Amino acid sequence: DIQLTQSPSFLSASVGDTVTITCRASQDISSFLVWYQQKPGKAPKLLIYAASTLQSGVPSRFSGSGSGTEFTLTISSLQPEDFASYYCQQLHSYPVTFGGGTKVEIK
Amino acid sequence: EVQLVESGGGSVQPGGSLRLSCAASGFALSDHYMEWVRQAPGKGLEWVAGSRNKANSYTTEYAASVKGRLTISRDDSKNSLYLQMNSLKTEDTAVYYCARDVAAGGGWYFDLWGRGTLVTVSS
Repeated sequence: DIQLTQSPSFLSASVGDTVTITCRASQDISSFLVWYQQKPGKAPKLLIYAASTLQSGVPSRFSGSGSGTEFTLTISSLQPEDFASYYCQQLHSYPVTFGGGTKVEIK
Repeated sequence: EVQLVESGGGSVQPGGSLRLSCAASGFALSDHYMEWVRQAPGKGLEWVAGSRNKANSYTTEYAASVKGRLTISRDDSKNSLYLQMNSLKTEDTAVYYCARDVAAGGGWYFDLWGRGTLVTVSS
């Protein structure tokens, strides 16, 4: 199975900050990496797929990069509505796996 | 409206059974891979099971933690996905989401999620 190691698990930031979350895969997954945002009590929301393609309707302050085993999600100019948990997911092969998550909180 | 709506969650004793349903509207279930994902209280997301589409013979995949106990199925005539849960354990306690799996733009992704249904396994 492909393991995804996401870091940090928690980060504290202020409105306007730029934050970066990293996701490392245990083997090469090409660009089959997806990022989701989840707020308490809600279903996950698709942000980015194919490592760097922004889902329609997602603000351009979200960006993704990477391929192979190293991936990043960057949020530029953090907004109040961005305080949430973020998960990476690999869809290179079954079993589908998720990273452990990153909770972004207000400093 | 394009949406997924889960139902069937509830409380059950260890060793018991439950059947979750996911009603799809606004699109044809048969065209899509469909998945179940769960989230234990205060924990992260865990993929549980997947069902390929009609073009791929409806083949299924399972996480090792549920294989042999949980069964994914679908009824395309009812546009519904199911998760039969047997021999339930306390560690199966979670919110269960169904999700649509899409291939486009050079990648796969879960683009549509239901609101989830809570399963509690406790004595």
